[in-house]
Amino acid sequence: DTGVSQDPRHKITKRGQNVTFRCDPISEHNRLYWYRQTLGQGPEFLTYFQNEAQLEKSRLLSDRFSAERPKGSFSTLEIQRTEQGDSAMYLCASSPRMGSGPGPETQYFGPGTRLLVL
Amino acid sequence: RKEVEQDPGPFNVPEGATVAFNCTYSNSASQSFFWYRQDCRKEPKLLMSVYSSGNEDGRFTAQLNRASQYISLLIRDSKLSDSATYLCVVKNSGYALNFGKGTSLLVTP
Repeated sequence: DTGVSQDPRHKITKRGQNVTFRCDPISEHNRLYWYRQTLGQGPEFLTYFQNEAQLEKSRLLSDRFSAERPKGSFSTLEIQRTEQGDSAMYLCASSPRMGSGPGPETQYFGPGTRLLVL
Repeated sequence: RKEVEQDPGPFNVPEGATVAFNCTYSNSASQSFFWYRQDCRKEPKLLMSVYSSGNEDGRFTAQLNRASQYISLLIRDSKLSDSATYLCVVKNSGYALNFGKGTSLLVTP
């Protein structure tokens, strides 16, 4: 399967613990996005990487959240001191570089990591 | 006011019916428009892009009215497999996709 992969698929943690999620984008996609989706809502943008550079962060990304993409390939999203309100599906998406052909704006989503904070 | 507004439904329709979903967006400078489909507990997947001239893909037709800031999706001859949540998506000048809450469709035998 050459799609976007995310790990773990499910995570249950206790309030106050730190968690880290990993995303592997489609090979050769240089653009990577993180979104969060809660029940009954559409996905909400968190942050964007172009190669290893983090170019945009939503105000939803509080100081407890940090994302990295150190080598421009996989990315990690860490949540420190988790709160019950952090319970959500965390989705990663990737898209090809601009000018690489038709549909560069299309974002391809991974299966998500479902987080439950108790 | 949310940037992308959709009627959440649910829309319950019999097989073979035609169903239409509507969506409005608030940013007149929005540049790109899409419909994504999301099955229960799965990730969103692109259904189709929406162009100003309107576009069709098999049983699906999408329309965009920039003057009214309105997007629509028409599904003809509904199949059981069309049951899903349909997400209206708008992209502005930045990198993020802005999603509506989604419209739930249930096609019944």
